[in-house]
Amino acid sequence: RKEVEQDPGPFNVPEGATVAFNCTYSNSASQSFFWYRQDCRKEPKLLMSVYSSGNEDGRFTAQLNRASQYISLLIRDSKLSDSATYLCVVNRSNDYKLSFGAGTTVTVRA
Amino acid sequence: EAGVAQSPRYKIIEKRQSVAFWCNPISGHATLYWYQQILGQGPKLLIQFQNNGVVDDSQLPKDRFSAERLKGVDSTLKIQPAKLEDSAVYLCASSLVGGGGEAFFGQGTRLTVV
Repeated sequence: RKEVEQDPGPFNVPEGATVAFNCTYSNSASQSFFWYRQDCRKEPKLLMSVYSSGNEDGRFTAQLNRASQYISLLIRDSKLSDSATYLCVVNRSNDYKLSFGAGTTVTVRA
Repeated sequence: EAGVAQSPRYKIIEKRQSVAFWCNPISGHATLYWYQQILGQGPKLLIQFQNNGVVDDSQLPKDRFSAERLKGVDSTLKIQPAKLEDSAVYLCASSLVGGGGEAFFGQGTRLTVV
């Protein structure tokens, strides 16, 4: 079983729509969780950290469910510029290994 | 603040040849990662250094890949000999707190093996 698994997508949504997708992780010892964004042919960049209580950053909301070992990302009022691949990342507590999911591709159309 | 520097940006080699990639992390970042990203997939960790010690190299194909981080700063990743399936983007990243904090990525080296 892969350490991190994501909805593969692609999610093709109109501007202004809400889109949400999940990520599951297999290692219950995972300590920190992140969503990274990767534009086509670019390097990944941190979008937001995911906290136990859930957190928002503008139009983006991240949730963590430790019991079920999944993380979610919701994008409200989608913009064309939100088109990207979103990578779910988990961090092991003992050696700080960062494990990436395969990514969820989101395309926002006009 | 300078970011993670990688070179070269692009490399085309024939199978069975050797190639080396270089990474200069952000100053003061103790943790350095090398990832391999094949088109359409997420980054796969090859090796992780904490200062100049190896933390995790479980997915590094050690029969052909090697990496070092001299003096806990710059790092090089080498492939010898290269195979067609090594065609990928090789990403270097560094972080300040070893995973608990944000990891910053370089622009990557796009390797094509023909």
